[in-house]
Amino acid sequence: AQSVTQLDSQVPVFEEAPVELRCNYSSSVSVYLFWYVQYPNQGLQLLLKYLSGSTLVESINGFEAEFNKSQTSFHLRKPSVHISDTAEYFCAVSRVRGSYIPTFGRGTSLIVHP
Amino acid sequence: SQTIHQWPATLVQPVGSPLSLECTVEGTSNPNLYWYRQAAGRGLQLLFYSVGIGQISSEVPQNLSASRPQDRQFILSSKKLLLSDSGFYLCARRRGGNYGYTFGSGTRLTVV
Repeated sequence: AQSVTQLDSQVPVFEEAPVELRCNYSSSVSVYLFWYVQYPNQGLQLLLKYLSGSTLVESINGFEAEFNKSQTSFHLRKPSVHISDTAEYFCAVSRVRGSYIPTFGRGTSLIVHP
Repeated sequence: SQTIHQWPATLVQPVGSPLSLECTVEGTSNPNLYWYRQAAGRGLQLLFYSVGIGQISSEVPQNLSASRPQDRQFILSSKKLLLSDSGFYLCARRRGGNYGYTFGSGTRLTVV
């Protein structure tokens, strides 16, 4: 079995400040890692994913996440946030082999203040 | 492109009434489909998934049921709604190669 922990339920930050949303996972097998973003009253959108190769992955809107196998973490970062980044962010893991159904974290609400 | 349609977007139903939420997929055949419920502050709960027509797996025993009458159609139903059925219901499709999910825009259900 696998599990995902998003330690912060809510992260308030001022516009143009840096932000880090934390994600830790637990799994006995190799996993793929994902971050999804959910804007109010919308479905989730895939933000970025780690499958293999470089441990640093980037999205088109300035977010990046780094896979750290030793710390079993996949934290999401952005050096300078915008008001439009206000949303719920979900970390998820799925097994590389076997059951592909992902396990989602409980989500972190990023609130960007002007 | 591969698109997921969900309707209605919002729904207010009285306790004890029936429910039918529909999800249809475009641009792909034989998709793996999923129903999730998102309750406030509780993350995503997998309710049902389907790997093909007539094939339904239930993850959580509850007041809801699902059906897959056509390859690209996935329906979530209830005969009698409970207050606890309120939430945001999301349909999702598995992307190829286990590269994550594509989600629909969701249905917000309020049972009153």
